[in-house]
Amino acid sequence: QITLKESGPTLVKPTQTLTLTCTFSGFSLSTSGVGVGWIRQPPGKALEWLALIYWDDDKRYSPSLKSRLTITKDTSKNQVVLTMTNMDPVDTATYYCSHTNIRGVLLYWGQGTLVTVSS
Amino acid sequence: QSVLTQPPSVSGAPGQRVTISCTGSSSNIGAGYDVHWYQQLPGTAPKLLIYGNTNRPSGVPDRFSGSKSGTSASLAISGLQAEDEADYYCQSYDSSLSGSVFGGGTKLTVL
Repeated sequence: QITLKESGPTLVKPTQTLTLTCTFSGFSLSTSGVGVGWIRQPPGKALEWLALIYWDDDKRYSPSLKSRLTITKDTSKNQVVLTMTNMDPVDTATYYCSHTNIRGVLLYWGQGTLVTVSS
Repeated sequence: QSVLTQPPSVSGAPGQRVTISCTGSSSNIGAGYDVHWYQQLPGTAPKLLIYGNTNRPSGVPDRFSGSKSGTSASLAISGLQAEDEADYYCQSYDSSLSGSVFGGGTKLTVL
């Protein structure tokens, strides 16, 4: 059974750096074709794809956020970490991590974690 | 403004059939990249509904079907049920952005 769970702060101040951790089970990020992605959703708005990392450490970022994002993996801990710098109130959203593959299918999702950016 | 365009809302009576369109361009759907569809019930994480344009994951009723033609894709839901009331999102890959893109989402209301 594949599960994913996001963890991190629920409240960050403007200009701070957000660090989110996705802890997963039921699959390995060392398996060929497997990846973990991050997606966010501002309250009442649409899904926005942020970044993903593949088993071979190939990393992809949303062009509009690329300068602020870093995605890394720790295969031994079954974790993927996303950092986003210079947080702004418009970054307030529910952040999801998801199991993906080379076809881009997001089959398994975490429950999401709401991050609020406010002073 | 989303790269993939969906109607903001659709509605239908129980038992009816509705379709949700997803319009892209030559750098995503038109380039041959797969389209995937997700259902998001209120307050929950999205759930994969259709993958690879037309395929249903195990457990998804055959009332849900997907199609793709040219630079567009569609999700059809037949035999509408009250429990289908949700937001629906399409997703594909965009070569000019080198990453995945989502549609703006469509809210389905069952009358």
